Amino acid sequence: NAGVTQTPKFQVLKTGQSMTLQCAQDMNHNSMYWYRQDPGMGLRLIYYSASEGTTDKGEVPNGYNVSRLNKREFSLRLESAAPSQTSVYFCASSWGLDSYEQYFGPGTRLTVT
Amino acid sequence: DAKTTQPPSMDCAEGRAANLPCNHSTISGNEYVYWYRQIHSQGPQYIIHGLKNNETNEMASLIITEDRKSSTLILPHATLRDTAVYYCIVPYSGGSNYKLTFGKGTLLTVNP
Repeated sequence: NAGVTQTPKFQVLKTGQSMTLQCAQDMNHNSMYWYRQDPGMGLRLIYYSASEGTTDKGEVPNGYNVSRLNKREFSLRLESAAPSQTSVYFCASSWGLDSYEQYFGPGTRLTVT
Repeated sequence: DAKTTQPPSMDCAEGRAANLPCNHSTISGNEYVYWYRQIHSQGPQYIIHGLKNNETNEMASLIITEDRKSSTLILPHATLRDTAVYYCIVPYSGGSNYKLTFGKGTLLTVNP
């Protein structure tokens, strides 16, 4: 039972490049989330998915797109990376949006030069 | 979210109980208190939550005062691996706000 897994663990991009961060959970959770954490700051919600087939914007969605591929997988895409997107990205899941018992993955450390 | 106040740092000796306080004086009657922790370079980890009764699980105990304005997270036998930032969170219970708001938390350092 792996919980929430994320790939890759580390990534370096040049400005303007694109990439997709992958996230999968094996807890049969309905809801999934993408957060970013900048040094010395708290987590900020980028996008979330209440259930399979639905996605909604969080507080910092600009520059990102998401896909809820199926119940297990929720990917985050950067179409044209910018240095301001240098951050640690965490994926999380929960039974539902009304459950704040969220389980987090290990994170992807992204640097955009 | 109801505002929470935590001390910025605490120390604890290995094997002793760690008691982490949190004030949440503006909490509403139907709002829960959640505790998370983040070990350096790892993702946040859910610990426990409660409404008004004391709660215990395999990781910790949560004591909520009768007026619900404060709570204490207790790690009964702290180990070096419990060194982390601990967050007390009272999520917004109404509307379409589904994010967890992590404040600055308490850095707990467990010393040998």
